Amino acid sequence: EDQVTQSPEALRLQEGESSSLNCSYTVSGLRGLFWYRQDPGKGPEFLFTLYSAGEEKEKERLKATLTKKESFLHITAPKPEDSATYLCAVQAGGGSQGNLIFGKGTKLSVKP
Amino acid sequence: GAGVSQTPSNKVTEKGKYVELRCDPISGHTALYWYRQSLGQGPEFLIYFQGTGAADDSGLPNDRFFAVRPEGSVSTLKIQRTERGDSAVYLCASSLWVNSPLHFGNGTRLTVT
Repeated sequence: EDQVTQSPEALRLQEGESSSLNCSYTVSGLRGLFWYRQDPGKGPEFLFTLYSAGEEKEKERLKATLTKKESFLHITAPKPEDSATYLCAVQAGGGSQGNLIFGKGTKLSVKP
Repeated sequence: GAGVSQTPSNKVTEKGKYVELRCDPISGHTALYWYRQSLGQGPEFLIYFQGTGAADDSGLPNDRFFAVRPEGSVSTLKIQRTERGDSAVYLCASSLWVNSPLHFGNGTRLTVT
């Protein structure tokens, strides 16, 4: 069964304290892995797509990396405005292209 | 430009009633998706459309759920004989084509009492 597991469930950081969020996946062939940010009461906001092991994408303080079994979202010198829930999703080769399988997310809190 | 718009933002209904949730996608986006998100969970796939047709409806939980997109733009998710377990945030998303990033609306929070 295709599955996505994110850890930790929650992460509290001080402003400027760098860390990483993990997304482990088990899928029958990976078409793509996606990172989204979700603020309370809002829909998910797209951050990155990764397609193959070794690929990396960067945006401001965020960098996403991908291996054959997991992805990391690295947050460098975070600011309070980075506080949100970060969701990982995969598009499995055995499923339809429109069907993304999401993890439960990591809730990040950054304190000033 | 305008993002994905969902109406209503909140809907409270009684058990057994019928509800319709509306989604206005980003203009020009050919693919439209419905997901459902319960508290503390990630979004769960329901159905997606390419144009007017449902390309994959395998996530619809049972035959009380139905969705349409008659003109390839606006979509309506219809739930018959609502149950308390249907309470969740229903998210709509659209994308330029199926393999491009999804743009989500802010959802409709459905509460069945």
